[in-house]
This record gives sequence, C-alpha cells and structure tokens, in this order.
Amino acid sequence: DADVTQTPRNRITKTGKRIMLECSQTKGHDRMYWYRQDPGLGLRLIYYSFDVKDINKGEISDGYSVSRQAQAKFSLSLESAIPNQTALYFCATSQSYGDSYGYTFGSGTRLTVV
Amino acid sequence: AQKVTQAQTEISVVEKEDVTLDCVYETRDTTYYLFWYKQPPSGELVFLIRRNSFDEQNEISGRYSWNFQKSTSSFNFTITASQVVDSAVYFCALVYDKIIFGKGTRLHILP
Repeated sequence: DADVTQTPRNRITKTGKRIMLECSQTKGHDRMYWYRQDPGLGLRLIYYSFDVKDINKGEISDGYSVSRQAQAKFSLSLESAIPNQTALYFCATSQSYGDSYGYTFGSGTRLTVV
Repeated sequence: AQKVTQAQTEISVVEKEDVTLDCVYETRDTTYYLFWYKQPPSGELVFLIRRNSFDEQNEISGRYSWNFQKSTSSFNFTITASQVVDSAVYFCALVYDKIIFGKGTRLHILP
C-alpha cells in the first residue's frame, strides 16, 4: 500500500456540486498539506495542518475547506465547484521541518469541473 | 518573502547532451532546506534530493548532480548524458515551515 493515498484518482464533476477529496497516510506524520497544480504555475499550497487541532490557510484557500479527522486523514472539500478549480490536487505529509527524506506526496487527484 | 524562481519554462535537448536546470531562491531564514522533485508524464512527484542551508557541498548521484551556492542563492541541477527517460517536469522547492515550489521546468529529451 502507498504511504499516502488519495481518493479518488480522477473525478469529473459539475459546476456547483460539492466534492470531497480524501487523503490518508500510513507514515505517522503529524503534518499534512493540500496543493493544487496548474500547468505553468507549479504547485500552490491550499491548506496545511501541523496536527489534528491545527489548520492553516495557504496561499489559495478561497473556495476550499479542509477537515483533519485524525492524524492520518486530511480531507479537502470544494463546497461549490467551479471550472477554474479544474486541476491536479496533491496531498503531502511530513514529519517535521525539513523532513530528511523530503515530503511524501500522494499520487494526485485529477479533478475536472464541467 | 519566500520565493523560488525557475526561469526556464521549457528546455529541449538531444539525447546524450548535458543539461542544467536553474533554481534561484529567496528567503530571510538562515535555516532552510531545498529540494528537487521530478514529475514524469504519469504525474506523480518523485523526490530527488534534499539539501540544508548549512551544507554547501555539491552532490553527485549517477548522472545527476546538484550545485548549491548560497552566495548566489542558487541550487542548480545538472543531468549528464541525458536520456529520453529524463523527460519530465522538474520542480525546485524551498522548505521552511512549509514547502513552496517553483513553477517547474519541462524538460524534453529528444531521441
């Protein structure tokens, strides 16, 4: 099993629908992150959580919300999806500042909003 | 402000040529980390290397090498004798309490 699992892998949804992207990890890491990737823009941070009670907005949090249900689970919600939220979404984990082996990323969720 | 700049949006080279991907960063922190990731066409992010701000030693791993220079705030990545399998998007990233990425360089290795 992968260390960081994202579900679903691919999703097509309609404008205005609520959708949840899920992330679970078996690394035992405290820190979890959600990024979105758009062509030519790299990865941008949406939300991050340093522990279950700590949730922080990243640079592009508008239109998104998150839930840290447990140390191992961190979900990203789009309350009312819009087409410009079409992107590749990554969940990542790290143990601490400058994790020695790099951040661990999930395989990504490709979301299309039509 | 923390920032990572990868000025090369896209590079194409012929197989077996050497290629260098540039990365320039900005930070006021004295302790930070720099990473390189590879994203092949399949989409996953593959960790390549981590370097902390106190370690300016260059590193070589097979055909890959990295040159870290604090004086110029650069952390460049060189692929020697490139191969078609090296075709991917490469991201440089800066880590302080979270990770921020450059916009990536798309590398095409032509057969």
